[in-house]
Amino acid sequence: AQSVTQLDSHVSVSEGTPVLLRCNYSSSYSPSLFWYVQHPNKGLQLLLKYTSAATLVKGINGFEAEFKKSETSFHLTKPSAHMSDAAEYFCVVSPKLSGAGSYQLTFGKGTKLSVIP
Amino acid sequence: KAGVTQTPRYLIKTRGQQVTLSCSPISGHRSVSWYQQTPGQGLQFLFEYFSETQRNKGNFPGRFSGRQFSNSRSEMNVSTLELGDSALYLCASSLGFGGSTDTQYFGPGTRLTVL
Repeated sequence: AQSVTQLDSHVSVSEGTPVLLRCNYSSSYSPSLFWYVQHPNKGLQLLLKYTSAATLVKGINGFEAEFKKSETSFHLTKPSAHMSDAAEYFCVVSPKLSGAGSYQLTFGKGTKLSVIP
Repeated sequence: KAGVTQTPRYLIKTRGQQVTLSCSPISGHRSVSWYQQTPGQGLQFLFEYFSETQRNKGNFPGRFSGRQFSNSRSEMNVSTLELGDSALYLCASSLGFGGSTDTQYFGPGTRLTVL
């Protein structure tokens, strides 16, 4: 069984200040973890993914996330927020199966990021 | 490479009708997954198809069904529509072989409104 908890439903930051979106996970398997972003009326875009190669993962648009097994966390950060970062962010977990195994994504409830000019 | 495409983008139906949504995966991808997104329940997994076979299914009633064709394109069907079926339906494609290199890429979604 697997689950994801996004600790904040809404985060508001000023443009140019750091962003921190928090995520805790639970998984019976060695997990793969992802962050996806969804802009209004759009589909989901992959920001970054963790698959055990490195605990600090760099993604697109300056975002990065750190996998901390002891804390079962995978928080998303960005040093300086931009207006275009305003969107909803989803932390996602899936079991890291090999071969032709089926895997399904389990989503957190999402964190809506507002950026104040 | 073209991304995942979904048609139609918007649909309005009435209760009791049925609807079919279509998803074309990224070229070379053999797995297609479907998700339902609503404000109350968030994103929930419907089912996954790989090489024309349903490989995994979420906790949805039998009114929700799908299929996949030999070219990996997929359709999902919802029969006897209910008001609660109003949602954004997202499809995602991936290579389908699991492991650390496999990633699901999402289409723009189909917005279904049931009146």
